[in-house]
Amino acid sequence: EDKVVQSPLSLVVHEGDTVTLNCSYEVTNFRSLLWYKQEKKAPTFLFMLTSSGIEKKSGRLSSILDKKELFSILNITATQTGDSAVYLCAAPTTDSWGKLQFGAGTQVVVTP
Amino acid sequence: DTGVSQDPRHKITKRGQNVTFRCDPISEHNRLYWYRQTLGQGPEFLTYFQNEAQLEKSRLLSDRFSAERPKGSFSTLEIQRTEQGDSAMYLCASSSASGSREAFFGQGTRLTVV
Repeated sequence: EDKVVQSPLSLVVHEGDTVTLNCSYEVTNFRSLLWYKQEKKAPTFLFMLTSSGIEKKSGRLSSILDKKELFSILNITATQTGDSAVYLCAAPTTDSWGKLQFGAGTQVVVTP
Repeated sequence: DTGVSQDPRHKITKRGQNVTFRCDPISEHNRLYWYRQTLGQGPEFLTYFQNEAQLEKSRLLSDRFSAERPKGSFSTLEIQRTEQGDSAMYLCASSSASGSREAFFGQGTRLTVV
């Protein structure tokens, strides 16, 4: 059975800190790994990773995939209160890339 | 707004009533997905369509749930004889079958069964 596990489940940091979120996966016929940010409602897409060792960056967020060890990390540097959200990791489980197996998410709280 | 649109945003219903939710995907997307999310959990896949064909249904989708996408555009999800355990956020997503294939989510419909 396909599985995606995120850690930690929650963390609280101060503005300006750096956070690292972990995602491990066991997916048959692995295709890609996706990260989403969910603030209150819709998960919003952050990154899609398909190749091992290639870092993707968007502003203060970056992510990398290790296909040998079956995990990914999401880094947020110089955190701001607007980064407070649940960060979800997911992997497509079939050729339909929208059929996703999600982890439970990591709740990040950034305090002023 | 060219994103995924869901209606209603909130629904409160009495146990035993039927409810129907609507999802309008991004117009050029031919794949549409329904997910359910409960507090503290990631979204769980329910079903998906490619154009008007329903290609897969999760075991989570009991007989009381039915989804349609009659013209390959918008979709509806109906829950009959609602139970308190159906209370959740129902999320719709859409994606393209080619090119950039990541799924984009709507704002969701929050269902509360009392």
